[in-house]
Amino acid sequence: NAGVTQTPKFRILKIGQSMTLQCAQDMNHNYMYWYRQDPGMGLKLIYYSVGAGITDKGEVPNGYNVSRSTTEDFPLRLELAAPSQTSVYFCASNPRGPNEKLFFGSGTQLSVL
Amino acid sequence: QKEVEQDPGPLSVPEGAIVSLNCTYSNSAFQYFMWYRQYSRKGPELLMYTYSSGNKEDGRFTAQVDKSSKYISLFIRDSQPSDSATYLCAMSGAGTASKLTFGTGTRLQVTL
Repeated sequence: NAGVTQTPKFRILKIGQSMTLQCAQDMNHNYMYWYRQDPGMGLKLIYYSVGAGITDKGEVPNGYNVSRSTTEDFPLRLELAAPSQTSVYFCASNPRGPNEKLFFGSGTQLSVL
Repeated sequence: QKEVEQDPGPLSVPEGAIVSLNCTYSNSAFQYFMWYRQYSRKGPELLMYTYSSGNKEDGRFTAQVDKSSKYISLFIRDSQPSDSATYLCAMSGAGTASKLTFGTGTRLQVTL
């Protein structure tokens, strides 16, 4: 099993550009999550999904969108990128929800200039 | 007041030292307590998982939860340079609708 795979690893965007961060897991997990990690701020939940076709907002959803058309994939869309979205983004998954071990991807480092 | 407080460090200790990492929290509904280890430029990985109060030991690592004081700890015995990482506490309440709340992380450096 590859686990949770995120692409790209690094990206630089100009203000106002859009992009999609890709996340895929091969563990047949129902739950998938997107977090952002800023220095000294810990991990903040952006969006999560409890299964294909079902998504919900986390703590910091503004400026982002997600979709979950399959169990495996959970892409994160940034529309009209802003400098405040400069961060490291982590995708995670687990079988049954927030009280279980999270399996994290290796992250995407995004800079918006 | 943040829901979960964690000293950001950095904490520098010599090899072989006993390390104590701590988090305090304010939400009495938290029942599941976790410690994640994150190496530089990597995703976090689960180190210890505890339900409710008590101790749990795994090799050189011991996790303690004191719900009466709303305080959790991670002890590392015989620390090694490979333990140099950021340690994140995380906690959640019961049920699938609860949210996992992370501390800000403590950066640990174990020196030779």
